[in-house]
Amino acid sequence: GDSVTQMEGPVTLSEEAFLTINCTYTATGYPSLFWYVQYPGEGLQLLLKATKADDKGSNKGFEATYRKETTSFHLEKGSVQVSDSAVYFCALSDRGGGSNYKLTFGKGTLLTVNP
Amino acid sequence: SQTIHQWPATLVQPVGSPLSLECTVEGTSNPNLYWYRQAAGRGLQLLFYSVGIGQISSEVPQNLSASRPQDRQFILSSKKLLLSDSGFYLCAWSVREVQPQHFGDGTRLSIL
Repeated sequence: GDSVTQMEGPVTLSEEAFLTINCTYTATGYPSLFWYVQYPGEGLQLLLKATKADDKGSNKGFEATYRKETTSFHLEKGSVQVSDSAVYFCALSDRGGGSNYKLTFGKGTLLTVNP
Repeated sequence: SQTIHQWPATLVQPVGSPLSLECTVEGTSNPNLYWYRQAAGRGLQLLFYSVGIGQISSEVPQNLSASRPQDRQFILSSKKLLLSDSGFYLCAWSVREVQPQHFGDGTRLSIL
C-alpha cells in the first residue's frame, strides 16, 4: 500500500536559518504530492503541491520538488521566520492505486523557530 | 470561493454522553467529504469519507458514526462517548476524488 515517511523532529531553528524537512513515499500508482501546514490550534492548510515528476511546488517561500527517481518530496525554505513555527505534513494521493479518494499522510514534523 | 465550517470549535463532554459534530461546505456542489481525528496534536487518522448524500464509508471500526443528510453537510456522531474518543476532529472536502483536500478549523473534543 501507499505510505509517507517524513522526519518526525522536532526541528528547532533560529530565525533566518535554512529549513529542510525530508519526505519520502511509496505508491502503487501515479501519486500527487502535497505539503500541509498546521498552526497551533488550527486545521490544516495546503502549503504546496506537485502532480507529476520534476514538478516544483512553491508558496510563501517554501519549495518542494517531486523526485520520482528518489521517491522524495523534501520541503525547503531559505530563511525561516518565527511565524513559520507549525507542524508540517507531507501527503500523497494515488490516482492509479485504487485509493485516489484519500490522502495518505506522514506523521508530521514540528518546527519551532526561535528569534 | 469555497469555504468549510465546523462547529463547535471546542467541546467538553462526560463519558457516556452523545456527540454530534457538524461540518458544512459552501461554494461547491457534490464534494467528497471526510472526517479525520488527530490525537496528541500529531498524525491524522481518516475516520469516514462520503462521495454523496447518504453514502458513507468507514475506514476504521469504532464508536463513531457519520451521516450526510444533505449534499454539503457532514455529521459525526456517537451514542455514548468513550475516553478514547478525545482528540481534534477535522472535516475536509475535495472536488470529487480530485485532490487536494481542504480542511476546516477543527473541533477539540475533551472527554471527562
